[in-house]
Amino acid sequence: EAGVTQFPSHSVIEKGQTVTLRCDPISGHDNLYWYRRVMGKEIKFLLHFVKESKQDESGMPNNRFLAERTGGTYSTLKVQPAELEDSGVYFCASSQSRDIQYFGPGTRLTVT
Amino acid sequence: SQELEQSPQSLIVQEGKNLTINCTSSKTLYGLYWYKQKYGEGLIFLMMLQKGGEEKSHEKITAKLDEKKQQSSLHITASQPSHAGIYLCGADIRTDKLIFGTGTRLQVFP
Repeated sequence: EAGVTQFPSHSVIEKGQTVTLRCDPISGHDNLYWYRRVMGKEIKFLLHFVKESKQDESGMPNNRFLAERTGGTYSTLKVQPAELEDSGVYFCASSQSRDIQYFGPGTRLTVT
Repeated sequence: SQELEQSPQSLIVQEGKNLTINCTSSKTLYGLYWYKQKYGEGLIFLMMLQKGGEEKSHEKITAKLDEKKQQSSLHITASQPSHAGIYLCGADIRTDKLIFGTGTRLQVFP
């Protein structure tokens, strides 16, 4: 069984540009989560999807971040326009019901 | 405020030595998860604890959750270089999302 996959693994963009991160959860997992770790800080929750619906988006930093999960399968996280403080590692996780969250390898975003 | 304190932040041990990593919450936990991360990789699930006093083991790693469900420890017996990485505790406080500690960086030298 394939694990959670994320694309790209690394992205370097300039301030003001747009970046879209993608997450493919484990097949059959209705719950999909986005987390972020900025340098020197702990991993922090961004938002939670149940199928295609946003269950909790309390961790989204501001309206420059837009997450979607069309059809309840893969999810995208768009940052537009990117700022320097958006740099960090973005993790995606998926789970079945209220169960273990399995994490992807992360996308390292560098905004210059 | 930091809801989950993890200690130590860094640990360097000689191969074969035992070690313990601690995770303390300011709130009662619904569940406590231990993950391991190697550089450039995702978080690898190790163990989940949900009941007060629960203890689980896998190979040479043992995790415990105290009776009050606010403190957990991860113990590695006879450490090996393959144990090196960043260990993270994640807490579920009945909100579905996980709250993480800052992690413990473990290095094991021969």
